[in-house]
Amino acid sequence: EAGVTQFPSHSVIEKGQTVTLRCDPISGHDNLYWYRRVMGKEIKFLLHFVKESKQDESGMPNNRFLAERTGGTYSTLKVQPAELEDSGVYFCASSQTGGVTDTQYFGPGTRLTVL
Amino acid sequence: AQSVTQLDSHVSVSEGTPVLLRCNYSSSYSPSLFWYVQHPNKGLQLLLKYTSAATLVKGINGFEAEFKKSETSFHLTKPSAHMSDAAEYFCVVSPNSGGYQKVTFGTGTKLQVIP
Repeated sequence: EAGVTQFPSHSVIEKGQTVTLRCDPISGHDNLYWYRRVMGKEIKFLLHFVKESKQDESGMPNNRFLAERTGGTYSTLKVQPAELEDSGVYFCASSQTGGVTDTQYFGPGTRLTVL
Repeated sequence: AQSVTQLDSHVSVSEGTPVLLRCNYSSSYSPSLFWYVQHPNKGLQLLLKYTSAATLVKGINGFEAEFKKSETSFHLTKPSAHMSDAAEYFCVVSPNSGGYQKVTFGTGTKLQVIP
């Protein structure tokens, strides 16, 4: 069974540019999560999809971030325009039920560097 | 509200000696607790989880953790460190408050194993 995949693995862009990150969850997982780790800090929750709906987007930093999950399969996270403080590693995870004891399976992350 | 404190940002042990990675949590609800490991350039992998069953939880690769409610702790241990254990470890809490899972990560502990 394929795990969670993320693309690209690294992205280096200049301030003001746009970047789109992609996450492909494990097949059949209705729940998809985005997290971010800024250097030296903890991994922080960004948002949670159940199928194509946003269940919780309380962690999204501001309106420069837009997440979509059309069709309830893969998801994209767009940052537009990117700022220096957006640099970090963006993780995606998926799970089956989304219940409180469920296991989330993580992708390898996308390292975003904004210059 | 919930939080996780990983007391050590770095731990260094010699190969073959015991490993102890400390984690304390706070949660308004009886929590589920997880330990994840991240090897370089890899995704986070679940080591073990506590979901209100047995307080001593055994995970993969010889790791185990004990849930101690009185101490609000969930320390990760392994009797004998192996070189392949060198990685970053994350303690994660999820309150059993019903509804969807919402996790909080600790800041991570980097484990160095000295040959």
